[in-house]
Amino acid sequence: DARVTQTPRHKVTEMGQEVTMRCQPILGHNTVFWYRQTMMQGLELLAYFRNRAPLDDSGMPKDRFSAEMPDATLATLKIQPSEPRDSAVYFCASGLGLAGGSYDTQYFGPGTRLTVL
Amino acid sequence: DAKTTQPPSMDCAEGRAANLPCNHSTISGNEYVYWYRQIHSQGPQYIIHGLKNNETNEMASLIITEDRKSSTLILPHATLRDTAVYYCIVRVHGSSNTGKLIFGQGTTLQVKP
Repeated sequence: DARVTQTPRHKVTEMGQEVTMRCQPILGHNTVFWYRQTMMQGLELLAYFRNRAPLDDSGMPKDRFSAEMPDATLATLKIQPSEPRDSAVYFCASGLGLAGGSYDTQYFGPGTRLTVL
Repeated sequence: DAKTTQPPSMDCAEGRAANLPCNHSTISGNEYVYWYRQIHSQGPQYIIHGLKNNETNEMASLIITEDRKSSTLILPHATLRDTAVYYCIVRVHGSSNTGKLIFGQGTTLQVKP
């Protein structure tokens, strides 16, 4: 049963610290998404990658957030320095972008619950 | 992508059909209707999608009106495990933004014993 995995599942840190969240997409999927969920804003798309190249990161605060795909099996989302307003659940999802621009469904991981004190 | 409107909450008795409506009056001809749900403390889960024909899979049925301005997700025999927030999303296939899902507030479905 192929699944998206995320680590850590929970993270508590102090303001100003660096936070790195990791995601392992489903093997064979070529597109990875990062979402953030808060009570106030709901689910928001932060960034996504196709074939490891960033396609859209317009939803991501550029000054402190960065997203990368060092290889096809690992995506990372980093916050440096972290702030209390970054407290949220961060979801990674993967999917298969098909030829001609069509698209398959997205499969979500269990999320990383981040608390910044 | 077109905006969707869903009721904030609904109740359903266990074993009965749950019918979740969604309005998408500004939908374009090339936009698909997608449904996802999010059970508490889990990531969203894909349910079903369609363009203009009704669709059915092992989880649910999707009924899209002829003018495509609204749709209904039907869970034929709701169980307590179907309690979740249900999101209706419209999305274009084949555009440069083909991957993006824009989630609204969804409908919180409470299935009661």
